[in-house]
Amino acid sequence: KAGVTQTPRYLIKTRGQQVTLSCSPISGHRSVSWYQQTPGQGLQFLFEYFSETQRNKGNFPGRFSGRQFSNSRSEMNVSTLELGDSALYLCASSLAQSEETQYFGPGTRLLVL
Amino acid sequence: DQQVKQNSPSLSVQEGRISILNCDYTNSMFDYFLWYKKYPAEGPTFLISISSIKDKSEDGRFTVFLNKSAKHLSLHIVPSQPGDSAVYFCAAIPNTGNQFYFGTGTSLTVIP
Repeated sequence: KAGVTQTPRYLIKTRGQQVTLSCSPISGHRSVSWYQQTPGQGLQFLFEYFSETQRNKGNFPGRFSGRQFSNSRSEMNVSTLELGDSALYLCASSLAQSEETQYFGPGTRLLVL
Repeated sequence: DQQVKQNSPSLSVQEGRISILNCDYTNSMFDYFLWYKKYPAEGPTFLISISSIKDKSEDGRFTVFLNKSAKHLSLHIVPSQPGDSAVYFCAAIPNTGNQFYFGTGTSLTVIP
């Protein structure tokens, strides 16, 4: 069974631009969560989607948004990029909402110049 | 506010010895804890978990100890192997089950 895939793997943007990241969960998984990883901050929870609905949201500004499609694939969008948005963005999938075991993708490394 | 803390950013251990990675939490509503292992350029992979109704969970060379009164958990790796060199994240889930809270990670280096 294929794992969680994320595209693109690397991305360079400039301040003020917007970016869209994509995540394809493991086949059959319906929950997708997004995390931001930065040095010294660990993994910070962004949001969780289940059945095309945002179920939980972390403490991030409204510039961070997401959506989930009927095939459970999810996209995350960051608008008006700031230098501090440079990070590794990880997506994780699980069978059900808020299930204990999540499976992570390799991440998208975003660099904002 | 960091509710799950890993105060040691790095740890070096000789091959064959015990590795002990520590994690502290502040939220008494956490009732399920997990450890993830992360290699460079890969996403974290689930390693081992423990429910708050237990104080110990074992899986091969990996053992998690939970001290609820101290709000502390630790991951023991015995014996440590060079392939264990990675970043280890501690995570916690509250009894409302609505999101994961991760620590900042500890980079473990096992020296051959």
